[in-house]
Amino acid sequence: EIVMTQSPATLSVSPGESATVSCRASQSVGSNLAWYQQKPGQPPRLLIYGASTRATDIPARFSGGGSGTEFTLTISSLQSEDFAVYYCQQYDNWPPFTFGPGTKVEI
Amino acid sequence: QVHLVESGGGVVQPGGSLRLSCAASGFTFSRYGMHWVRQAPGKGLEWVALIWNDGRSKYYADSVKGRFTISRDNSKNTLYLQMYSLRVEDTAVYYCVRDPYSSSWYEHWGQGTLVTVSS
Repeated sequence: EIVMTQSPATLSVSPGESATVSCRASQSVGSNLAWYQQKPGQPPRLLIYGASTRATDIPARFSGGGSGTEFTLTISSLQSEDFAVYYCQQYDNWPPFTFGPGTKVEI
Repeated sequence: QVHLVESGGGVVQPGGSLRLSCAASGFTFSRYGMHWVRQAPGKGLEWVALIWNDGRSKYYADSVKGRFTISRDNSKNTLYLQMYSLRVEDTAVYYCVRDPYSSSWYEHWGQGTLVTVSS
C-alpha cells in the first residue's frame, strides 16, 4: 500500500498571501496524483489531477506540481473562500486508492 | 449537470446491516466507474470500494473486504453498497463518487449519507 503524507498539518496564512501544501508518497506514483479541497459540512471538491492539471472551473490561483514522490499544491493570493482542508490522493498503484491525512489552511 | 444523491444511512447496532444507494443523473451512468469513499467524524478520507462501469470488476479496501459489497444497476442509474457485520469503526459519512476512467481521480462527489454504528 502506498502511504501518503502531507505537511504541514495546519498552515496559518493571511488573505492575499500565498500558501504551499506538500504531499509525499512512500513510493513513486508518477504523475497520478490529485488534490481536493473540503470545507466544513461539504463533500470534497476536485482541484487538480495528473499532478498539475486544474479541474473544470478551478481558478488559476491553484497550481499543482511535482512528480514521483514529491508534490506541491500552491494557492497564490489566498481568498476567504480558500480557507479549507486540502487532501492529496494517489491513483497510481491500487487497490487501495490512498489519501494524505489533510492540511488545514486557516486564517 | 452531474448529480449524485446518496440515501440509506442511519443508526445501526454493531453486527447489523445496512444498504446505501446512490442515484445518479445528468450523465450516462453506464460509462463510468463508481466508488464509495467514507469519512469518519472529524477524520480524513478513506477509499472503500470501486466498481467498473459494466459491474464486472470490483475492488475493496482491506478494512471492509468480506463485509461490504458494491454493486450497480445501470438500468436504474443507481450504485449500491451493502454493508454487513457493521462495526463501530464503520461510523462515517459515505460518499458516492464518479471516476472518469475507473481507476483515477474523483471528479464528482455526492453530498454523502451518514452511517452511525452504535449500541
